[in-house]
Amino acid sequence: DGGITQSPKYLFRKEGQNVTLSCEQNLNHDAMYWYRQDPGQGLRLIYYSQIVNDFQKGDIAEGYSVSREKKESFPLTVTSAQKNPTAFYLCASSPGPPADTQYFGPGTRLTVL
Amino acid sequence: DQQVKQNSPSLSVQEGRISILNCDYTNSMFDYFLWYKKYPAEGPTFLISISSIKDKNEDGRFTVFLNKSAKHLSLHIVPSQPGDSAVYFCAASMPRSNTGKLIFGQGTTLQVKP
Repeated sequence: DGGITQSPKYLFRKEGQNVTLSCEQNLNHDAMYWYRQDPGQGLRLIYYSQIVNDFQKGDIAEGYSVSREKKESFPLTVTSAQKNPTAFYLCASSPGPPADTQYFGPGTRLTVL
Repeated sequence: DQQVKQNSPSLSVQEGRISILNCDYTNSMFDYFLWYKKYPAEGPTFLISISSIKDKNEDGRFTVFLNKSAKHLSLHIVPSQPGDSAVYFCAASMPRSNTGKLIFGQGTTLQVKP
């Protein structure tokens, strides 16, 4: 079945540690995105990538980093510089501009203790 | 600056009745709009979309209406079912910008009572 997978579903880390969230897709989509959702808020864009080996900052990129070495994979690293990392993280993909419908993975809930 | 706004945080309707969820936007350059449905602790699911060249798009029980002059869109669910209870997000984009970026509203929590 084609889709987007994120692992793990729940992640706990100590303050000051970097953590990497996984996102894999087998939809053959060119574009991939990372969002963050906080309670009572919409989805805010962290980073996006329209093609392998290229990515751009979204609206809240500070404290995060990404890589796009393979078309299928777009891991997100939450660094110790992120001041409020506890949130629900969502990965999405799309065929690429101009087609803008994005399809989402199940999400990872990160809790920093 | 909130470019896409969903001013009603929550909505409660009776099963079988119509649910109307509203969304306003400020950027006249947006020309593609989407609705997503989200259950707690899950990723959003794409529901329906509309291009700015249309004013209505239907898919089964879901209809999206777009009023460009008012910069307003709405999602109608008829008839509403208890399984429709979820958070609904509207989103907007500018395909001509070639970034693929979506701007999301804050979401509206719909509760459909049996």
